[in-house]
Amino acid sequence: GQQVMQIPQYQHVQEGEDFTTYCNSSTTLSNIQWYKQRPGGHPVFLIQLVKSGEVKKQKRLTFQFGEAKKNSSLHITATQTTDVGTYFCAGPPANDYKLSFGAGTTVTVRA
Amino acid sequence: SAVISQKPSRDICQRGTSLTIQCQVDSQVTMMFWYRQQPGQSLTLIATANQGSEATYESGFVIDKFPISRPNLTFSTLTVSNMSPEDSSIYLCSVLEPGQINTGELFFGEGSRLTVL
Repeated sequence: GQQVMQIPQYQHVQEGEDFTTYCNSSTTLSNIQWYKQRPGGHPVFLIQLVKSGEVKKQKRLTFQFGEAKKNSSLHITATQTTDVGTYFCAGPPANDYKLSFGAGTTVTVRA
Repeated sequence: SAVISQKPSRDICQRGTSLTIQCQVDSQVTMMFWYRQQPGQSLTLIATANQGSEATYESGFVIDKFPISRPNLTFSTLTVSNMSPEDSSIYLCSVLEPGQINTGELFFGEGSRLTVL
């Protein structure tokens, strides 16, 4: 079955620094989605990428979908304490709607 | 976006008992799903709750352990049966709205945190 892998599992960041988390799928995805889960909260949708090579930005967050539609990345610049949480990538395989979630990258920020 | 209410938000249960979690949505939704999130882990799809028919279970999950009902387009229940400590998890209801059927964007309830002693 489809597997979605994320690295790193944990990211400890100094406030103000940049970091990137990576997502790789064992199968081609029809789209890639990113969710954020704050400590004690539930996952909240951030963004969806559909097209091969697509790049989208949300303020300090930059999301990219790979050319082969099997990998994605999330880059955060100038990390703030509000960025604390776990970031999950998720994607349905082609011709499906069910999401497979990656293991997540848990971000902590040092002030 | 849909507003999803889950009850209970948390519970402490005794081994061998069963607990039913309710998920109520404020609008009719196309699809409803139940996910499990074990402590510090990712989300695993348990099943798709089908309106008026038996749920569709993912590999590793069976109806006897996780019976699901979905009597209408806005409500579903998940029962965790004959619980053991390994069932201690957050159980999340999620929905696909009619406008999102082609994109797959999910909205999640707040989750039900179960601890089994």
